[in-house]
Amino acid sequence: DAGVIQSPRHEVTEMGQEVTLRCKPISGHNSLFWYRQTMMRGLELLIYFNNNVPIDDSGMPEDRFSAKMPNASFSTLKIQPSEPRDSAVYFCASSLLQYNEQFFGPGTRLTVL
Amino acid sequence: QQPVQSPQAVILREGEDAVINCSSSKALYSVHWYRQKHGEAPVFLMILLKGGEQKGHDKISASFNEKKQQSSLYLTASQLSYSGTYFCGTVLSGGYNKLIFGAGTRLAVHP
Repeated sequence: DAGVIQSPRHEVTEMGQEVTLRCKPISGHNSLFWYRQTMMRGLELLIYFNNNVPIDDSGMPEDRFSAKMPNASFSTLKIQPSEPRDSAVYFCASSLLQYNEQFFGPGTRLTVL
Repeated sequence: QQPVQSPQAVILREGEDAVINCSSSKALYSVHWYRQKHGEAPVFLMILLKGGEQKGHDKISASFNEKKQQSSLYLTASQLSYSGTYFCGTVLSGGYNKLIFGAGTRLAVHP
């Protein structure tokens, strides 16, 4: 069974550009989570969905960030416009139920110049 | 709300034991433990639900003291493969499944 799939694995962009990160959760999982990891701030929960519905987006840093989950097998995290301080590794994770263990994707390493 | 992990770093020789602690100032519903190796994604180790249960995973086990809102991860007879950063994640009682991770404990096991 394929795990959580994220694309791209690496993204280098210039300040002001739009960035879209993609995630395909494990088939059958109904909860999806977006995290950001930096040395300074550690592993932060940005937003999570349950049955494709956003439940908690209080971790989204600001309006430049948006996330969607149009169906059970796909989610996007968009940053527009991007800034150098957005540079981080972004992880997507999914779980079968809200309270179960989370399976993390390999992450997208974003560098904003 | 972020749980506090201690110690921040541990250095071990193969075969030695270690304990990593995780504490919260708020009532917890569950505690999750993950291990992350350098350049990789966090990998799930175990979940502990309130009730003071203890779980084991090979030579890694954990406990959850509901009264103290604390969890401890026990690494017994450490192996080189145990090296990495260990994160506890806590879910508060009465809320949604919002997993808040601690800052992590770096563990290095040397031959």
